[in-house]
Amino acid sequence: EADIYQTPRYLVIGTGKKITLECSQTMGHDKMYWYQQDPGMELHLIHYSYGVNSTEKGDLSSESTVSRIRTEHFPLTLESARPSHTSQYLCASRLAGANEQYFGPGTRLTVT
Amino acid sequence: QQQVKQSPQSLIVQKGGIPIINCAYENTAFDYFPWYQQFPGKGPALLIAIRPDVSEKKEGRFTISFNKSAKQFSLHIMDSQPGDSATYFCAASKWLSNTGKLIFGQGTTLQVKP
Repeated sequence: EADIYQTPRYLVIGTGKKITLECSQTMGHDKMYWYQQDPGMELHLIHYSYGVNSTEKGDLSSESTVSRIRTEHFPLTLESARPSHTSQYLCASRLAGANEQYFGPGTRLTVT
Repeated sequence: QQQVKQSPQSLIVQKGGIPIINCAYENTAFDYFPWYQQFPGKGPALLIAIRPDVSEKKEGRFTISFNKSAKQFSLHIMDSQPGDSATYFCAASKWLSNTGKLIFGQGTTLQVKP
């Protein structure tokens, strides 16, 4: 079992609210990722980070933002949630020099 | 160029059957092809991976077949069990790339009936 944690696991929130999805890993991995996954669909990369103070946008455009102030922590923020943001958000991490990505359990977000 | 196409979308087999999931890629720069297994309520976990220098790789009951010229690869699950019921994703990437970006297929939901 990978040591990567996401909170909350489930979140139902109203339109216009600001939310932060938390992701933490205890493996000391430099690389971290956020994916968006709609039910029954593939994972799309929305953000990634090479290390502290390094963040890049992924292949799928997202209105969310991320920060990487500490190696183990990679939170994702939505300033103003909308129903179109309803999805599952998966965080992953990888050791530099390795291929395998380790995934957290995901946060299922519903915006009403 | 960046797509990975996966089929079928869903699959139902009897216990002991051999489900086969297929993927095709376009970008010839890809040289790392992992398969991830995802159970409901969990994140995906790496199952098995292959590089283009071999045509087949086995780990336990799971086998990847790779056809470089056709740009296709497949997952075979031998002697499938109800506990194998999950969603399977193929993916493609560049080996040890700095970004580590994975391009995922659309996923296959497998149900193994007792």
